[in-house]
Amino acid sequence: GAGVSQSPSNKVTEKGKDVELRCDPISGHTALYWYRQSLGQGLEFLIYFQGNSAPDKSGLPSDRFSAERTGGSVSTLTIQRTQQEDSAVYLCASSQQRGVETQYFGPGTRLLVL
Amino acid sequence: DAKTTQPPSMDCAEGRAANLPCNHSTISGNEYVYWYRQIHSQGPQYIIHGLKNNETNEMASLIITEDRKSSTLILPHATLRDTAVYYCIVRYNNNDMRFGAGTRLTVKP
Repeated sequence: GAGVSQSPSNKVTEKGKDVELRCDPISGHTALYWYRQSLGQGLEFLIYFQGNSAPDKSGLPSDRFSAERTGGSVSTLTIQRTQQEDSAVYLCASSQQRGVETQYFGPGTRLLVL
Repeated sequence: DAKTTQPPSMDCAEGRAANLPCNHSTISGNEYVYWYRQIHSQGPQYIIHGLKNNETNEMASLIITEDRKSSTLILPHATLRDTAVYYCIVRYNNNDMRFGAGTRLTVKP
């Protein structure tokens, strides 16, 4: 079946602009996760959703970052007033449920802030 | 929350077994060991996971020591396409997986 998809695959923006990143999880997966990976670094956890709620927002690096999920499916990660240090690959993953279930990752969105 | 320690890099000859070690000495009883890999410019790919018993699937085998303080991922016949960064992860407090720096495996012809 279809895997996790993300759009856009690449995004170049100017410093100070807002960007929206989209994630389509695997159908039926109730848990959704956002991660960030800077060049040559490991993955940094940002936020997760169980259904439409996000009980753990501790990983968001600043209040410029927000995320929402509607209908228990698609999620958007919004970065306001982008800064150059926001440049990274933003990865989305989903799993059948929170807990032990395996997370399946999308291909990521490569964000470059000029 | 348990942390993992992996060697930063390893080499393996094509066709030979690749054995990737991971230490997780602070693992607790209910925490699973997961292995993912990330090939350049792609999202992480699930490989295998286990709790106490050794596990095998079409990709790899996972050997977990009896005290659960370390594990080894085995790729039985490494190919050039197995060149990637391999992450050993212990579930964080039944929450999200925290990825470390991983091991960069290079399979050489």
